[in-house]
Amino acid sequence: QVQLVQSGAEVKKPGASVKVSCKASGYIFTSYGISWVRQAPGQGLEWMGWISAYNGNTNYAQKFQGRVTMTTDTSTTTAYLELRSLRSDDTAVYYCARVSRFLEKGYYYYYMDVWGKGTTVTVSS
Amino acid sequence: QSVLTQPPSASGTPGQRVTISCSGGNSNIGSNTVDWYQQLPGTAPKLLIYGNNQRPSGVPDRFSGSKSGTSASLAISGLQSEDEADYYCAAWDDSLNGWVFGGGTKLTVL
Repeated sequence: QVQLVQSGAEVKKPGASVKVSCKASGYIFTSYGISWVRQAPGQGLEWMGWISAYNGNTNYAQKFQGRVTMTTDTSTTTAYLELRSLRSDDTAVYYCARVSRFLEKGYYYYYMDVWGKGTTVTVSS
Repeated sequence: QSVLTQPPSASGTPGQRVTISCSGGNSNIGSNTVDWYQQLPGTAPKLLIYGNNQRPSGVPDRFSGSKSGTSASLAISGLQSEDEADYYCAAWDDSLNGWVFGGGTKLTVL
């Protein structure tokens, strides 16, 4: 079955970097994209960006540009999220999600259909 | 402040039908399709509706979605206790060039 397995919880100090992994299985990795979404404690969902596993093209939310890097390793079907210059308000659960698409009236529309269980990142001095 | 606007809470009794609204603008809901996610306490979001009104396999037909102009709705009929969760709408925003979410609606089954 389609599955996204994320790496374990991280505790980082302010100013440090964190790299979260998301291993995909059960589907053709390069036929889909991977999106990253985070959720601060008690808050809603916040989209960070996504990467095409086909060609590595990325699209980052403006809020994170310059501080985030998303990559994929097709040999291990794993996606990575790196966030630098961490602050306390980066404390959140970070989710990866598979990006699928459907065709309607000549246009492709994209949606996030399968999600990982999340990785808790705590930033504290 | 979320780009898409949802009511913070909703409630209903078992068997009842409830609807959750999601309001946006021309650059998001007005131009693109709407998806809905269910997040049970302590778990990851789960896709409930995509493309305004399409249900992934395995999602009961008690859940339905609709869209009109710059607003969308999620309807849940035959409400069950296990439907108690947070519900989020989402859409691509052409101006922001990214996905935007609603602030979430906490559904309580009384």
